[in-house]
Amino acid sequence: AQSVTQLGSHVSVSEGALVLLRCNYSSSVPPYLFWYVQYPNQGLQLLLKYTSAATLVKGINGFEAEFKKSETSFHLTKPSAHMSDAAEYFCAVFSTGRRALTFGSGTRLQVQP
Amino acid sequence: DTAVSQTPKYLVTQMGNDKSIKCEQNLGHDTMYWYKQDSKKFLKIMFSYNNKELIINETVPNRFSPKSPDKAHLNLHINSLELGDSAVYFCASSRATGANEQYFGPGTRLTVT
Repeated sequence: AQSVTQLGSHVSVSEGALVLLRCNYSSSVPPYLFWYVQYPNQGLQLLLKYTSAATLVKGINGFEAEFKKSETSFHLTKPSAHMSDAAEYFCAVFSTGRRALTFGSGTRLQVQP
Repeated sequence: DTAVSQTPKYLVTQMGNDKSIKCEQNLGHDTMYWYKQDSKKFLKIMFSYNNKELIINETVPNRFSPKSPDKAHLNLHINSLELGDSAVYFCASSRATGANEQYFGPGTRLTVT
């Protein structure tokens, strides 16, 4: 079964600092991986998606993620945090067998002024 | 012109009652989903429909019954509500059943007292 693990349920950074949110996947086949963001009291919004076309994937709002097969990782980064980035971030893997997304447990990003 | 809309946004009800949540998407997508997000923000898929046909039916109590009158609508009916049903329920849609971007509604916060 395919799964993702997000390390760190809470991450706090200062405004302008690097954002690094960690996600490791488990999959016996090349995975389809996603990062979604959930702002308070809202639904989820796609940040970016990995489909094996390129290992470095650029998303919206200045976020990017790098697929590293050797480390089974798909960490999300942003060079400079903004206050507006404060939200819950979810890594997800698409299971071709189940035809469904399996989400990680989420990481809450706090941005300090 | 909200892409995926849900009604109601908030639902407070007593144990044992029956309630419904409605979802509509105007994106022309073929596939729709219901997710449950618990108090720890963990997201789990419940059901998915493709062109009105049930595709995914996770291990959800049979008190939960989805209904898709057409491919733009997916409603969720819950019988005999229990305290443990309290959660945020999200509807989502995607172009097809593959590893496509899913568009989420704003959620319905259900509180069972």
